[in-house]
Amino acid sequence: QKEVEQNSGPLSVPEGAIASLNCTYSDRGSQSFFWYRQYSGKSPELIMFIYSNGDKEDGRFTAQLNKASQYVSLLIRDSQPSDSATYLCAPSTNMNSGYSTLTFGKGTMLLVSP
Amino acid sequence: SQTIHQWPATLVQPVGSPLSLECTVEGTSNPNLYWYRQAAGRGLQLLFYSVGIGQISSEVPQNLSASRPQDRQFILSSKKLLLSDSGFYLCACGSSYEQYFGPGTRLTVT
Repeated sequence: QKEVEQNSGPLSVPEGAIASLNCTYSDRGSQSFFWYRQYSGKSPELIMFIYSNGDKEDGRFTAQLNKASQYVSLLIRDSQPSDSATYLCAPSTNMNSGYSTLTFGKGTMLLVSP
Repeated sequence: SQTIHQWPATLVQPVGSPLSLECTVEGTSNPNLYWYRQAAGRGLQLLFYSVGIGQISSEVPQNLSASRPQDRQFILSSKKLLLSDSGFYLCACGSSYEQYFGPGTRLTVT
């Protein structure tokens, strides 16, 4: 049974602060990791993809991966009220196959206050 | 970049009725296609994926089925809906390093 654990939150941060979202996974065969943002009632939007240990930065977002600890995180710098959403972590084990079957966590709700 | 269309956007169906949800993709050829469901209080769950016409892989035993009659068309069906089939059904398209979701169909089984 593949499990993906995320703190359900809500995680409350003031505007301009750094938000740190964490995710642990049980399947050691997980090769790559996706982070999505989902606004209430909407479909998920892809934010980041990471497959190598270490950090990957894209604008205000930084993904951090530690496969030995089975841990992946997402940092959001200079948080904005528009970042208020649920953030979903999704490991995949098919990176070399050309497609990805994702296992999702339940997500962490982030609330950014003005 | 590809565009994913899903319809209908919302659907209310009685228990025991059939279901057909459609997903079509524009802007790409031979896409990998996926069906996910997000039920209340639960995470997104992969139901089916397809890497080509007529090729369907099932991830979770369900009273649901999927078909891919054309390259960029993916259909989710059921012969008899259960209350537990209620949820947000999402079609996705992508490779091993990216996967994008369509707008979804919200299904309520009454």
